Amino acid sequence: DGGITQSPKYLFRKEGQNVTLSCEQNLNHDAMYWYRQDPGQGLRLIYYSQIVNDFQKGDIAEGYSVSREKKESFPLTVTSAQKNPTAFYLCASSQQGGPYEQYFGPGTRLTVT
Amino acid sequence: QQQVKQSPQSLIVQKGGIPIINCAYENTAFDYFPWYQQFPGKGPALLIAIRPDVSEKKEGRFTISFNKSAKQFSLHIMDSQPGDSATYFCAASSNYQLIWGAGTKLIIKP
Repeated sequence: DGGITQSPKYLFRKEGQNVTLSCEQNLNHDAMYWYRQDPGQGLRLIYYSQIVNDFQKGDIAEGYSVSREKKESFPLTVTSAQKNPTAFYLCASSQQGGPYEQYFGPGTRLTVT
Repeated sequence: QQQVKQSPQSLIVQKGGIPIINCAYENTAFDYFPWYQQFPGKGPALLIAIRPDVSEKKEGRFTISFNKSAKQFSLHIMDSQPGDSATYFCAASSNYQLIWGAGTKLIIKP
C-alpha cells in the first residue's frame, strides 16, 4: 500500500527546543517537499528536494533545516530559531521533472508553548 | 507575479447547488493548474487538474473552466453534497514547484 507517512500526528514542545518531524514515502518519488499551513492560509513551501543529498530553500526556510540521505526519507527539524513554530506541517512527494501531482501525508500538528 | 489569487475565502451553498471557486494568476509561464481538496486534519488530495491547451475539463461532478486570455480558472461542483464540504485550493506551476492559492472553505448545507 503506497503512500506517505508522517509521524507523529500531534507533537508538543517547549519553547527553545529543537524538534524533528518525520516523513517517509514508498512511492519511489524523487522529489519531496515540506509545507507549513496556518489557519486561513494556503500552503507555504519550507524546503524541497529533487534528488538525494540535495535540497533547496522554499519561501519560508528560516528557522528550519532538512536532510535527504535516503530517497524515501525527508525529515524536517524545527529549530529554536523559528519564531512562530506552532502550525500544521505537511510533507509531499512527486515524480521528478514536474509538474506532477503532489501526494501529501496526513500532516503533523506541532504546538510549541 | 508568482501569486495565485483565490476567491471567495468561504462559501455556503445548499445541497444540489453549484459552488464556483475562482483563481487568477499573472505568470504566463504557468502550464499546470490543479485543484486540491482538503478535509480537516488531513493532507490535501488532488481533485482535478488542467493544462492551458484546453478550456474545460470534467471529472465526475467537478469541472475546471480555464480562460487563458484572462489568466483565470475556476472550479465548479455540480449537484453538490454535504460530503463535498472541505477546503479547496487552486495552484499553478511551470515546473516541480506549486504556487498555492489561499484556499476556500466550502460548506454544503443539507
